Parts: sequence; structure tokens; C-alpha cells
Amino acid sequence: NAGVTQTPKFRVLKTGQSMTLLCAQDMNHEYMYWYRQDPGMGLRLIHYSVGEGTTAKGEVPDGYNVSRLKKQNFLLGLESAAPSQTSVYFCASSPMGGAREDTQYFGPGTRLTVL
Amino acid sequence: KQEVTQIPAALSVPEGENLVLNCSFTDSAIYNLQWFRQDPGKGLTSLLLIQSSQREQTSGRLNASLDKSSGRSTLYIAASQPGDSATYLCAVRMTGYSTLTFGKGTMLLVSP
Repeated sequence: NAGVTQTPKFRVLKTGQSMTLLCAQDMNHEYMYWYRQDPGMGLRLIHYSVGEGTTAKGEVPDGYNVSRLKKQNFLLGLESAAPSQTSVYFCASSPMGGAREDTQYFGPGTRLTVL
Repeated sequence: KQEVTQIPAALSVPEGENLVLNCSFTDSAIYNLQWFRQDPGKGLTSLLLIQSSQREQTSGRLNASLDKSSGRSTLYIAASQPGDSATYLCAVRMTGYSTLTFGKGTMLLVSP
């Protein structure tokens, strides 16, 4: 049981390049989330999904797109990377998102640098 | 909009001390509140979750309290150890929402 995994762990992009970050979970969780973490800004929600085939915007969605074609995978895309997107990206999942006792399980993060 | 504030931003204590980390939130209509731990270069791990109807939760040397009416939560760590060194984040979930709002965290260093 690997929990939440993220691919890749590190990546350096040039401004204008595109890339996709992959998040996978093997816990059969319905809800999945993408966050970015920046010094002094804390953890901010980019997009999230409440089930296969659904996506919703979070606090900072601009410049990112997401897809949830399979329940276990949640992809985060950057179509034209900008230096402001340099950050550490975390994926998380939770069982249903509705129960009071639900918590989120986090992946190890992807460190992205945009030059 | 819910805002979550954590004080202090950083804390350094000698091993063995008892310590308190603080979290405050602006909107008291919360569903639950969670405390997470983050080690350097790692993801977050949930420590304690307090439901809105609860006053406190305990796990080992950790005790989290919640005062919803005043918009405050504390994380009490008893007999701190160097292995407790990490960043501790507080997160609030609002009623009717499935997302969390995080504080910026308190970086704790426990020296031997």
C-alpha cells in the first residue's frame, strides 16, 4: 500500500514550457487535491476533484489545468510555465470528503523550478 | 473568507520542555480542525483531528484543544524530544465544504 505517490520528484523547466505532474493513490479515495507551498505563503489549494471525471477550482487555479480520468489518478498540467509557478506541489486524497473524521493524506511533493 | 493564523512562526526549546502552539481562525462555522506535521522536504502527516462538537483530542504526548466560539485551537506537546522538530500546521474545514484552509505553520526546533 503505497498511499499517495507523485511523479516526478524534481523538475526544472524553462519559461513557456509545459509539463504534467502525476498524482496516484491506491486507497480508493474519492477526493483528490492539488496544493502549492511557497515560503511565507503557506499551503494553497490549486484545484480539487470530488470524484472520477470531476474537477473544481481552488484558491489559486490560474495557469493550471487538471484532469481526473481515473479515480486513482489526478493530473496537474502547466501549459506555459512561468517563474511565478516555481514552488513545491503537493497532492492529497481523502476518503469521501464528507465525514467529520475524514483527513487528507499527502504525497511527498514535487519541487518545480521555472527559469 | 476564512483566515487561519499560527503563532509563533518559529519556536526553539530545549529537550524535555512542555510547549504550546497556537492557531486562530476568523470564521467559527467550522466542520473540523486538524493539526498536521511536516518534516523538511516531506509531505504532511495528520496528527489530530477535532470535530466541531469536540473540545479536545489526545494522541500520546500530543493534546489538541478547540474553542470554536473564540476561534482558537492549541496543540500541547508534553516532554518535547528532538524527534518532534518539524513544522506544525493547523487546518480548518468549513461546514458545507470539502476543502481545507491552512495556516502558515510553526517551525519547531527541539535541541538535545
